[in-house]
Amino acid sequence: KNEVEQSPQNLTAQEEEFITINCSYSVGISALHWLQQHPGGGIVSLFMLSSGKKKHGRLIATINIQEKHSSLHITASHPRDSAVYICAVRFFQMNRDDKIIFGKGTRLHILP
Amino acid sequence: DGGITQSPKYLFRKEGQNVTLSCEQNLNHDAMYWYRQDPGQGLRLIYYSQIVNDFQKGDIAEGYSVSREKKESFPLTVTSAQKNPTAFYLCASSIGVAGAQETQYFGPGTRLLVL
Repeated sequence: KNEVEQSPQNLTAQEEEFITINCSYSVGISALHWLQQHPGGGIVSLFMLSSGKKKHGRLIATINIQEKHSSLHITASHPRDSAVYICAVRFFQMNRDDKIIFGKGTRLHILP
Repeated sequence: DGGITQSPKYLFRKEGQNVTLSCEQNLNHDAMYWYRQDPGQGLRLIYYSQIVNDFQKGDIAEGYSVSREKKESFPLTVTSAQKNPTAFYLCASSIGVAGAQETQYFGPGTRLLVL
């Protein structure tokens, strides 16, 4: 059972639309990451969150620790935002190194 | 420019062959990681290393081996014991492993195809 669930799996939208991608997790975490994977495969880290909200340009990430849920929003979406967005959670393990679990990703396609 | 490089970008392997994927970083990071990505699945950890000459198995280490003789290099060997090696392999590094705030930096990946 994957302990990180992302929705939707696939999303197609028109340019300028407001985009929301969701991530739910079932374990207590120390941090949550949002990653962007481009069509060629390279991955870029967008945000790291442990509480609240972060904003970078047109991207906004929020996290609700009590509800074990995070959202990634894209305002004024553009075709260059087309990518796979991956949620990853880091959690503490007793007597072991922190573990990271990755979601399966949300494939976003923005139409011009 | 600091970063992580992986080579080759594409690799073809015949059944029964061992192949080695290269990962180099000049970020002066102590920790390095190897992940495998399959269609429709999240990244899965193969091996990681916190420091030179030390490495730990991840969730799917069977059929793989690694070495960490230098801080900047963490090659992954896919052995003939790996029954389903066709996948996209990603290398990453971070300053350390233990901190909750550690960000991992990813290489461009190597796509391995078994013929």
